[in-house]
Amino acid sequence: QLQLQESGPGLVKPSETLSLTCTISGGSINSGSYFWAWLRQPPGMGLEWVATISYTGITYYNPSLESRLTISADTSQNQFSLRLSSVTAADTAVYFCARLTTHGSGSHYHYWGQGTLVTVSS
Amino acid sequence: DIQMTQSPSSLSASIGDRVIITCRASQSISSCLNWYQQKPGKVPKVVIYSASSLQSGIPSRFSGSGSGTDFTLTISSLQPEDFATYSCQQSCSVPHTFGQGTKLEIK
Repeated sequence: QLQLQESGPGLVKPSETLSLTCTISGGSINSGSYFWAWLRQPPGMGLEWVATISYTGITYYNPSLESRLTISADTSQNQFSLRLSSVTAADTAVYFCARLTTHGSGSHYHYWGQGTLVTVSS
Repeated sequence: DIQMTQSPSSLSASIGDRVIITCRASQSISSCLNWYQQKPGKVPKVVIYSASSLQSGIPSRFSGSGSGTDFTLTISSLQPEDFATYSCQQSCSVPHTFGQGTKLEIK
């Protein structure tokens, strides 16, 4: 059974860079035609897609965050990571990593990590 | 970006009730529409994908319909474990976008 686990600091200072890693177990990051994503959910609010990386390394970013984002994959560690620079309080959220399952009519977020709360505060 | 609008934003219902939640896209998304269930403090779980396909392991009382811009999620007979927040999500184009959620509460 595929499992995803987020890791990273729970507290980040304003203007600094948020760095998170998602470790995959029960499957390989580069097996199959899968896409790997980060999403976030501010407290009490809805879900927001952040970024996606494909099994070939192609990246996709939410345009509202793109200038501050980097998503990358480390196949040797079976991990993918997110970096969000110049954070503000508005970036406080639970961050989830997830794997997309693609099909004829788009794709859906099938497997999710447990989520990790990142608070931006001095 | 494609905007996803759900209604209602909250809903009170009783065990055994039939419930319908709607989702409207700001432009046509064919059948690229998913529904997620999320309980407080828990991870979202897909219940319907591709507008009408029931995710494996989800009870058959859940169903989805629609195409283009208008979609519905129906729960035919509410059970205690169904009280949660439901969100729609389009996957036709990047950025993938979600509705604001519908909180389903016990009456």
